[in-house]
Amino acid sequence: DSGVTQTPKHLITATGQRVTLRCSPRSGDLSVYWYQQSLDQGLQFLIQYYNGEERAKGNILERFSAQQFPDLHSELNLSSLELGDSALYFCASSVEHIGGANVLTFGAGSRLTVL
Amino acid sequence: AQSVAQPEDQVNVAEGNPLTVKCTYSVSGNPYLFWYVQYPNRGLQFLLKYITGDNLVKGSYGFEAEFNKSQTSFHLKKPSALVSDSALYFCAVRGLSGSARQLTFGSGTQLTVLP
Repeated sequence: DSGVTQTPKHLITATGQRVTLRCSPRSGDLSVYWYQQSLDQGLQFLIQYYNGEERAKGNILERFSAQQFPDLHSELNLSSLELGDSALYFCASSVEHIGGANVLTFGAGSRLTVL
Repeated sequence: AQSVAQPEDQVNVAEGNPLTVKCTYSVSGNPYLFWYVQYPNRGLQFLLKYITGDNLVKGSYGFEAEFNKSQTSFHLKKPSALVSDSALYFCAVRGLSGSARQLTFGSGTQLTVLP
């Protein structure tokens, strides 16, 4: 157990729907990162939050949004879902907000299937 | 923009033989380099990192990696492979400023250790 908790583990939904993925970071970590892992795109950085504030944006679609709450858990909202959004979504956490030698701790992921 | 290349999608090695998983990178300035491993249905786990100093970095589970600045490579190695080492391995790079401070992952190399 890495200490990073993601729910749900599996989610099946239909095109056009909206889903919310939840992440609780490891105790003491203030930064949360979201990554998308798909067969054709590999591991893509989506967005980072640090202590409730957005810190960096990667290849995140406008249909996707995220936030980090005062208790430091984070949610990734995916709307108007398309078949191509089917992927494994990882949350990771770290102590620092700036990169450097900072090591990310990953959760087990949420597998989203859009039918 | 920074990038990571893992030229081999698949590496097969016999148990007890040495293994090498290749990685080359492109980044402005001095890099921070990482190796992560992903077992089936699990999140990524940190193996080792290079920050500065000794070009040979030792990590978890007997793995090590050699940093070569002139060849911009950071190959993962292990002297004697185990069947339990079979997994998906990711190399990652982080630069020093701006968007480069986010971790950029390679496409992954599936390592299979044959008994």
